[in-house]
Amino acid sequence: DTGVSQNPRHKITKRGQNVTFRCDPISEHNRLYWYRQTLGQGPEFLTYFQNEAQLEKSRLLSDRFSAERPKGSFSTLEIQRTEQGDSAMYLCASSLQEGLRRTQYFGPGTRLLVL
Amino acid sequence: GEDVEQSLFLSVREGDSSVINCTYTDSSSTYLYWYKQEPGAGLQLLTYIFSNMDMKQDQRLTVLLNKKDKHLSLRIADTQTGDSAIYFCAETPPGGTYKYIFGTGTRLKVLA
Repeated sequence: DTGVSQNPRHKITKRGQNVTFRCDPISEHNRLYWYRQTLGQGPEFLTYFQNEAQLEKSRLLSDRFSAERPKGSFSTLEIQRTEQGDSAMYLCASSLQEGLRRTQYFGPGTRLLVL
Repeated sequence: GEDVEQSLFLSVREGDSSVINCTYTDSSSTYLYWYKQEPGAGLQLLTYIFSNMDMKQDQRLTVLLNKKDKHLSLRIADTQTGDSAIYFCAETPPGGTYKYIFGTGTRLKVLA
């Protein structure tokens, strides 16, 4: 399978717990992105990496959120002290720079429910 | 602001054409994209258009771009029940950012 993969696909947790999601991008892609999608809305940008460097973070990414891409391949997104408002679909995407075009390919997402 | 606007719902009969509209925010956006999302799934890339083009056709899909009005549309010919999904447009604003800004999505329902 050469697409973007995400694990787990679903996560149910209690408020206050920490959760970690993993994203494996398409192998030759140097950029990796995280988005959050709440019900009835379009995806909202959280952060992106070029190789292992985190180059942009949204104001949506509070200090309870941290993302890493330690070797420039897979990435993890951790949410500490989860709140009910964190319930959403977390989408990962990857891209390869080709001139001005940087088409993002998305994974299936991780759906988080905080009780 | 950064609001990419789409109408919320569209209902068509199988075999008819569907037209999904999008108004984006930045006339300097270089590429504009259309994605499809089925229930509980991620986003599937459908097509994209570069800002120096007015139209792009890809099998049953036709994208029209009006830069002056910042209006983008996606036409699906011979719409099938399998086309029922949510469709998102996305823009890539200039200025060194690589993020996409997505619209709110249009839910397309195809009636048999």
